[in-house]
Order: sequence, then C-alpha cells, then structure tokens
Amino acid sequence: GENVEQHPSTLSVQEGDSAVIKCTYSDSASNYFPWYKQELGKGPQLIIDIRSNVGEKKDQRIAVTLNKTAKHFSLHITETQPEDSAVYFCAASRKSSASKIIFGSGTRLSIRP
Amino acid sequence: SQTIHQWPATLVQPVGSPLSLECTVEGTSNPNLYWYRQAAGRGLQLLFYSVGIGQISSEVPQNLSASRPQDRQFILSSKKLLLSDSGFYLCAWEGRRGKAYEQYFGPGTRLTVT
Repeated sequence: GENVEQHPSTLSVQEGDSAVIKCTYSDSASNYFPWYKQELGKGPQLIIDIRSNVGEKKDQRIAVTLNKTAKHFSLHITETQPEDSAVYFCAASRKSSASKIIFGSGTRLSIRP
Repeated sequence: SQTIHQWPATLVQPVGSPLSLECTVEGTSNPNLYWYRQAAGRGLQLLFYSVGIGQISSEVPQNLSASRPQDRQFILSSKKLLLSDSGFYLCAWEGRRGKAYEQYFGPGTRLTVT
C-alpha cells in the first residue's frame, strides 16, 4: 500500500540555525504534499503545502521542495526560533478528489537556546 | 470561518467500559470527516472517514466504530474499551481549496484506558 517515510525522527538544532526534514513517498500518483506542525497536547496544524506542479514553495522562514522523479520532498526552516519546537508531520495524497492522506511518522524538532 | 470541536478534551475510562467521542464542524457543509488515533510519540493512524451522512469507511479493523448522524457531526464509539485503545484521538475535516483538498484537525481527545 501507499507509504510515506520521514527522517529524522528527532532533530535538535541551535537557535538561529536551519532545520531540514525529509520525506519519501511510494505512490507515484500522489500530487499533494502538506506539512503539519503539532505542539504538545494539541491537534496538528497545516503550516505549508506543495502541489506536484511546483518544485518549491516558500512562506517566510519555511520552505518546501519537491522532487517528483525521486519521490522526495523536504521541509526547510531557517533562522529557527524556540517556538519552532514541535513535532512535524509530512504527508502525501492524490488530491484531484477527496481521498486519504498518508502521514509520515513525525519528526520531533527541538530548538536549543 | 470554519471551526472544529471535539469533546471531551480528556477522558479516563476503565477497561470494558463504553466510549463515545464527539466531533462537530461549524462553518461548512457536507465536509469529509476523519477520525485518527495517535499513540504516544507516534504518527497518525487513520481509523475512519466519512464523505456524507451515514457513510462510513473503516481503515483498521478493531473494536471501534464510527457514525455520522448529521452532516457536521462525527462520533467515535466502542462497546468495550481495551487497554490498547489508549491514545490521542483526532478528528479532522476536509475542505477544498482550488483543485486540492486540505485537512484541518480538531484539538483532540486524550483517552486513557485503565
């Protein structure tokens, strides 16, 4: 079945440095790739997404890249701040119609002051 | 704007007791609705999804069930809870933006089965 692998499972970076989280997906028909941020005790929040017709998307300090050939996509956070500490999930789905989203296993990001 | 509610926020139940978790969505009509479970420190496991009233698809066979009695209400139930049912239960609704559908999560219910 469809699968999304996410690495690393934990990541600790110095405040101000960059953080990169990588995911691979198995379903070549996937065309929508959202990223969610989950703070402790809360539900995940959609922070950015990318569609298959775009190779890169940026929103302030957050950027996502997509390599459809390799079936890889990544989240980049620059100039990290303490409030970036959370668990981040990547996901993939076929979004031409309503369908299931397949989530990665999550990355716990810690920002060291 | 759309909002999603879940209750209760936390629940402690003994093994063998019944369960009913409720999710409601405001500000949209005929949304696709989802139930996920998240074990401690783990990812999201899709349990059920619904594309309309009375329409439920089950992803994982287990002692849980779901119902959608109204357009914006989604209920997760169990007749007899197991210890392994402990976890963080998340409801999500799905809305369309352009050609894509996006999922938005509720605040979750933390269930501890003792």
